[in-house]
Amino acid sequence: NAGVTQTPKFRILKIGQSMTLQCTQDMNHNYMYWYRQDPGMGLKLIYYSVGAGITDKGEVPNGYNVSRSTTEDFPLRLELAAPSQTSVYFCASSYSGGVKVQPQHFGDGTRLSIL
Amino acid sequence: AQTVTQSQPEMSVQEAETVTLSCTYDTSESDYYLFWYKQPPSRQMILVIRQEAYKQQNATENRFSVNFQKAAKSFSLKISDSQLGDAAMYFCAFQGGSEKLVFGKGTKLTVNP
Repeated sequence: NAGVTQTPKFRILKIGQSMTLQCTQDMNHNYMYWYRQDPGMGLKLIYYSVGAGITDKGEVPNGYNVSRSTTEDFPLRLELAAPSQTSVYFCASSYSGGVKVQPQHFGDGTRLSIL
Repeated sequence: AQTVTQSQPEMSVQEAETVTLSCTYDTSESDYYLFWYKQPPSRQMILVIRQEAYKQQNATENRFSVNFQKAAKSFSLKISDSQLGDAAMYFCAFQGGSEKLVFGKGTKLTVNP
């Protein structure tokens, strides 16, 4: 199993450009998440999904959009990139269906710079 | 809303010694989970240890153990026999009924040879 795979690993954007960060998992997890990590900070939740076709906002959703058409994929879309969106982005997944909470598995992150 | 506080931005320890990283949290929930994640320079988020709030027994994983004080809402991580490979950022995280993780700001651990 590859786990959670994020692409690209690095990207530089110009202000106002758009792009999609890709995330795919092969563990058949129903829950998927997108976080951002700013320098010197912990991770903050952007959006999450509890299953295909269902998404919801996290703590910092402004400027982002997501979709979940399949169990495996959870892309994050940045429209009109702004310098404040310079950050490291992490995708994660977990399985939720029983009593016991399962830990989240993280991808390796995407470092995004907006200039 | 839940909050997680790590009051030590940086800590250092001598190789083979023991170090304790602090974490406090605030919640009104009674059933939840607490985690410690390690983030080395490679940027990966690696689960170190987890604690279920309804279990009174402190979790242990080899050289890593926690001191979970539910009434005080405290969840510290003890690393015994520290190794150079333990050097990393350590994040405390809370997960309640919403299934969403709330992270602290992290503690940077340096291990001196």
